[in-house]
Amino acid sequence: AQTVTQSQPEMSVQEAETVTLSCTYDTSENNYYLFWYKQPPSRQMILVIRQEAYKQQNATENRFSVNFQKAAKSFSLKISDSQLGDTAMYFCAFFYAGNNRKLIWGLGTSLAVNP
Amino acid sequence: GAVVSQHPSRVICKSGTSVKIECRSLDFQATTMFWYRQFPKQSLMLMATSNEGSKATYEQGVEKDKFLINHASLTLSTLTVTSAHPEDSSFYICSAQPPSGVFGELFFGEGSRLTVL
Repeated sequence: AQTVTQSQPEMSVQEAETVTLSCTYDTSENNYYLFWYKQPPSRQMILVIRQEAYKQQNATENRFSVNFQKAAKSFSLKISDSQLGDTAMYFCAFFYAGNNRKLIWGLGTSLAVNP
Repeated sequence: GAVVSQHPSRVICKSGTSVKIECRSLDFQATTMFWYRQFPKQSLMLMATSNEGSKATYEQGVEKDKFLINHASLTLSTLTVTSAHPEDSSFYICSAQPPSGVFGELFFGEGSRLTVL
């Protein structure tokens, strides 16, 4: 069975600095997708970034980038130039088409960006 | 991006009453929607997969008769919490994937906070 582990329940960072959130997963599949979702205090979940497992190049979306290590089954999220609006819960999620198309979620990391 | 709207955002009801939560995909047709439950400071727990025109698929441990799901059209799924009790108080979130979207990339509603007195 697939599992997703986020080992950092809480993290904090100073505004304008860089922070990395960790995520590891376990699967025997070869073709899958990985996601980072953000849930701000408003509670609506928003997609931050996604990575297709068949792509070697790490995904980047503006200040957000990932370090995808397929062999190590690691998928960390780096937030550069942190902003106050980045304060949120961040969830790592795993998907493959064979699992009835369901996302497997990590437990989340609560990130606080301090002024 | 695709828009999913959920209503109501907050609802308070008395114990024993039923509450309906609506989830709409505003700019795409969603043959499948997902209903989640989220406890404070915890991850999302998948309750059921809502399938348009057919019965919902419930996750293990979720009471079908307690949480009724109806997906009568390609843009609307409803979750009805029947005979609600205080332990049903929670944050309920729906999501859907556009047909042309990337596998697993979901769009979420705003969530509905249910408080049962």
